[in-house]
Amino acid sequence: GAGVSQSPSNKVTEKGKDVELRCDPISGHTALYWYRQRLGQGLEFLIYFQGNSAPDKSGLPSDRFSAERTGESVSTLTIQRTQQEDSAVYLCASSPDRAGGELFFGEGSRLTVL
Amino acid sequence: KQEVTQIPAALSVPEGENLVLNCSFTDSAIYNLQWFRQDPGKGLTSLLLIQSSQREQTSGRLNASLDKSSGRSTLYIAASQPGDSATYLCAVPTSGTYKYIFGTGTRLKVLA
Repeated sequence: GAGVSQSPSNKVTEKGKDVELRCDPISGHTALYWYRQRLGQGLEFLIYFQGNSAPDKSGLPSDRFSAERTGESVSTLTIQRTQQEDSAVYLCASSPDRAGGELFFGEGSRLTVL
Repeated sequence: KQEVTQIPAALSVPEGENLVLNCSFTDSAIYNLQWFRQDPGKGLTSLLLIQSSQREQTSGRLNASLDKSSGRSTLYIAASQPGDSATYLCAVPTSGTYKYIFGTGTRLKVLA
């Protein structure tokens, strides 16, 4: 596609429910990142995918968070048993196939946990 | 561990001024450095990417410089306009990984 696409743009859920956030990267981009941005805060790295290599999951805050990516296409970030502190904007970015290539971000998915 | 700091945290200036935003990082073994802007409630828009072999990049009224040895980058905005009002973020990959670390940003307001 023309840009990084994320869905849903907004999600309101009740505490304890599971949520899935989707990211569709720019076609041909092999690297994909997920970041979290709490209100008024900076970006926190969550996870990084590069081609068929094992993902770098070092930023996932707990085992309630997981992410998958099929090949070089869509990625899904899943948060199980959501908590109020999970409320944030979840941003996805993709990058071309080279080390430290330019990042292109989606508009984000705003998650509110009641 | 890579740490990225941006100064100032906030800046308010009258239209037409030339501005300098600063970004410093602790680990100089970086592949590149990228500057972004973020408008309220929006994602990040890439402004400039400086490769580690470059010293500066220019796009329109924006000029970014990189001094790896001192761990600093500067974003220069010429003749600022109200439309430049946004938060400006810099990001660098952590040495040995492709994990980008972001500064907390400079919130810029340009007054008409």
